[in-house]
Order: sequence, then C-alpha cells, then structure tokens
Amino acid sequence: EVQLVESGGGLVQPGGSLRLSCAASGFTFSNYWMTWVRQAPGKGLEWVANIKQDGGEKYYVDSVKGRFTISRDNAKNSLYLQMNSLRAEDTAIYYCARCESSSWRFDPWGQGTLVTVSS
Amino acid sequence: SYELTQPPSVSVSPGQTASITCSGDKLGDKFVCWYQQKPGQSPVLVIYEDSKRPSGIPERLSGSNSGNTATLTISGTQAMDEADYYCQAWASSAALFGGGTKLTVL
Repeated sequence: EVQLVESGGGLVQPGGSLRLSCAASGFTFSNYWMTWVRQAPGKGLEWVANIKQDGGEKYYVDSVKGRFTISRDNAKNSLYLQMNSLRAEDTAIYYCARCESSSWRFDPWGQGTLVTVSS
Repeated sequence: SYELTQPPSVSVSPGQTASITCSGDKLGDKFVCWYQQKPGQSPVLVIYEDSKRPSGIPERLSGSNSGNTATLTISGTQAMDEADYYCQAWASSAALFGGGTKLTVL
C-alpha cells in the first residue's frame, strides 16, 4: 500500500524555523517527483514546492521563495521541508503528495501535519 | 499571474446531476485535475488529465475541459459526494489550485 506520513509540525513563534518530514512507503520513492501542498485553516489548497526525483530541480510558490527549502533523501525514502523566517500566514496543514510526472497529478496525499505560527 | 476560478458553492438534490466549473485563460490547452476533500480528511484525486478516473473512483464522476472552462460532473449525486472540490492545473512550472467549491447535497 502506498503511504505518506508527515511529521514535524507544531507551534513556532514568528521568525522561527521548523523542519517537516514525509516518510514514504509502498512505492519506489526515487522514481517520483514529490510535492508539498498547504491549507490554511478554513481555506483552500495552496501548492508550496516540488522536487525532482534526484533533487536536481526544485520549484517554489513565490510567497515562500528564499524562506523554505524542499529536499529529499532517496536512501531514507523521505521528503523534507525546511521552513525559516516563519510568518503567521504560514499557519496551515502541510501535506506531502506524490507527483506522477506522466500527468503531473498529486496522488496520493499524506494525512498532513499542522504548523501554527504564533507568539 | 494565472488564476483558476471556481464557484464557492453548488447545491444539488440527491440523484440529480451536479456540475462544478473551473475557469482560466485558455484552460483547455492545459491538463486539469480534480480533488475531493471531505471534512477532516486529506484531498483525494478523482479526475486527472481532464477526464480520466483513478481506480476506485465511481463512474458517476466525470470531467471535461475545453476553451476556458473545465467541468467536473457528478451524475446521480449521492450524499457521500458532499465535499469540497478543487481543480488544479500547471502554469510556468507552478501548480495552481482553484479556490474550491463546496458541494452540498440537499
């Protein structure tokens, strides 16, 4: 069974840092692009970042460029999101998802991890 | 910047057909995906490449995309179809989501 399990969320003060992890299982992790998508409380979905199979290409939404870094460790079947200089507007559930490059669809999604930025 | 626009809400009676639209400039030139999200759950892919259904998705869900509008159609709507639906496409190496449509089955 394909499974994605996020961890690392929590409460952090504005300006602080947090590192999210996503553990993948049930598929050959190194064969897929991976992505992070977030959802602010009561709001819609917002794509955050993508990373290529070998980590050689990374793309970000403008609002996180220079503050967030997506990375992966194929040996550990893990995806990461390093979040620095956090702002209140970064408060959201963060989902990791597998990205099927043949059609660029997100499937499946993890259960999400909540990040709250507040003093 | 590219935007995808969805109606905030759509209502339908059980057994009837619901249509949820997603509009964007020349959207028909792009592939569109649709995701279903029920309260407290993660999104689930229900349509990809405009009209293809992943395994396990009921045939009553279908999709189309032409011109500036993509449409998710749910035939014979059931109570279990009540959820938020999001369209998604790609523009300039960035994924974009529509604002989401809350489908209410009255």
